[in-house]
Amino acid sequence: QMQLQESGPGLVKPSETLSLTCTVSGDSVRSTLYYWGWIRQAPGKGLEWIGSIYYGGSTLYSPSLKSRVTIAVDTSKNQVSLKLSSVTAADTAVYYCARRPVTALMYYYDVWGQGTLVTVSS
Amino acid sequence: SSELTQDPAVSVALGQTVTITCQGDSLRSYYGSWYLQKPGQAPVLVMYGKNNRPSGIPDRFSGSSSANTASLTITGAQAEDEGDYYCNTRDVSGDHLVFGGGTKLTVL
Repeated sequence: QMQLQESGPGLVKPSETLSLTCTVSGDSVRSTLYYWGWIRQAPGKGLEWIGSIYYGGSTLYSPSLKSRVTIAVDTSKNQVSLKLSSVTAADTAVYYCARRPVTALMYYYDVWGQGTLVTVSS
Repeated sequence: SSELTQDPAVSVALGQTVTITCQGDSLRSYYGSWYLQKPGQAPVLVMYGKNNRPSGIPDRFSGSSSANTASLTITGAQAEDEGDYYCNTRDVSGDHLVFGGGTKLTVL
């Protein structure tokens, strides 16, 4: 059964870099059938798309976060990583890792991790 | 426009039919997808494409699309359908994805 598990520090100081890892089990990040994405949700707010990566290294990022975001895959560990630099309190959110099938005209995330809360505070 | 617009809140009587809508220019070019999020839980995909239900999603959920609007209909709403519904698709102006603001569904 395919599962995604996010992990990383729950507390990050302002101006520092937030780093999270998504461990993929039951599938391979090398798969040509999927994109791997990150979505976040600030407390009491809606979902915000951060970005995604395809095995070949192709990345897509939210225009509003593009200057601060890096998403990468580690094939040796079967993981997807997220780095968000220069964080502020506005980056406090639950961060989700999710899988998106490669399909024409349809854009959807069919498997989600449980999410991990990251608080930005000194 | 890169926005997807949803009504903030909708209510439905138990057993009745409710439709949740999502509007945006992107939906003229791409299909929307729908997620249900319950408090403290990750979102769950309930509909994608023209009218595709993932395995395990009851057939009381159906989807449709017209012009710039995607719709999710629940025929015979149940108490367990209560939660926040989000739509999602690709932005027409660039290679990124967007989510709607969410609709809180209350089953009375």
